[in-house]
Formats: sequence, C-alpha cells, structure tokens
Amino acid sequence: NAGVMQNPRHLVRRRGQEARLRCSPMKGHSHVYWYRQLPEEGLKFMVYLQKENIIDESGMPKERFSAEFPKEGPSILRIQQVVRGDSAAYFCASSPGHITDTQYFGPGTRLTVL
Amino acid sequence: AQTVTQSQPEMSVQEAETVTLSCTYDTSESDYYLFWYKQPPSRQMILVIRQEAYKQQNATENRFSVNFQKAAKSFSLKISDSQLGDAAMYFCAYRSLKTSYDKVIFGPGTSLSVIP
Repeated sequence: NAGVMQNPRHLVRRRGQEARLRCSPMKGHSHVYWYRQLPEEGLKFMVYLQKENIIDESGMPKERFSAEFPKEGPSILRIQQVVRGDSAAYFCASSPGHITDTQYFGPGTRLTVL
Repeated sequence: AQTVTQSQPEMSVQEAETVTLSCTYDTSESDYYLFWYKQPPSRQMILVIRQEAYKQQNATENRFSVNFQKAAKSFSLKISDSQLGDAAMYFCAYRSLKTSYDKVIFGPGTSLSVIP
C-alpha cells in the first residue's frame, strides 16, 4: 500500500507566478489535510478536505491560496501570484476519516520563491 | 484554543544514552490524542508514538516511551539507547476528538543531535 504521495518534491517559482502542489492520499483514504511549515517552525494547519468538499479552511490565507479535492484525481493546493513569504515546505496528510484515525503524512513539497 | 509548547529548541545525547524531550499543552477538552513525530533531514514526517488521553498507561514503542501526566498537561518523550539515526527534529502534537475530525496542532519542535 503506497503512502501519501506528493509532487513535485521541490518547486521553484519567481515572484508573481503560480504554484500548484499535488497530493495523492493513501488508498482508501478520503480525507486530506494540508499543512505549511515555515523555516525553523512546526507545521501549521491550512485546510481540510473531503472528496469535492472543503470542510475547514480556517488556516488558509484569505487571498491567493485555494485548495480542491476533486472526485477523481489528487488534491491540489494552488498559490497564485507567489511572494517570497510563501517559501516553505507544504505537507499533505490523509486519513480514512474515522475520528480515531491517525493522519499519515506525505514527504512534502518544498516551495522556493525567488 | 489549544496550544503545544516545547521549551527545548535543541538537545543532544551521547550514543547509547537516554534522553527526554519535554512537551506541555493547553486544552480545556478531556478527549484527545497526543503524538510525537520525528522529522529527519529528509523532512518526511514520521509518527513515533501516539497516546490516547483516556488511557492512563503510558504508550511505548520499542526504545521510545512517553510520560503522560494529564493533570499537569505534560507529555514527554524518552528515547532509550539512542542511535545515530535518532538525530532529527521532534514535534509534539495534539489532536482533539471533540468533532468527527480535527486538525493536528504541532509544537515548535526540538532538534535532537546524537553524539557518536
């Protein structure tokens, strides 16, 4: 059973460009979480999605950031018009959805904004 | 709101020795999970150990064990017989069971070095 897959592992963008980060949950998992890790900090929750639904986006910046988890395909975290402060590691986690389930993390995508 | 605090930004331990990493948290809830995650230089987040708050018995996983003090809201991690591969960032984390899901709240981390 493959783990949580994220791609790309490293992404370099110039200021003003768009960044798209992909996350494929573990097989059988229908719940996806995105977290951001700024340099020298712990992970901070961004958004929680189920298939075709955003359940909790309380950690998402109000502008430029969006997330989706379509019926088919991976979950996408999209950052428009990136700025240097968006440079961070972005982690995706998935779980089957039961309240007692552990979240399993992907390897992360390291975004660098030049 | 729940918070997780790790007061030791950096720790070091001699190979084969024992080290304890500290963690405190703040919550008004009674049902929750606590976790320790390890993040090696590869940056992969690896679950080390999980503790259910309703269980009085401390969780153990091989060389890793916790000291869970619910009243004091303390959750320390003990690593016995430390190995070079234990060198990593360690994050203490909290997850509420109040709703049908909840986000994980992470502490700022402790960087552990293992001295050969």
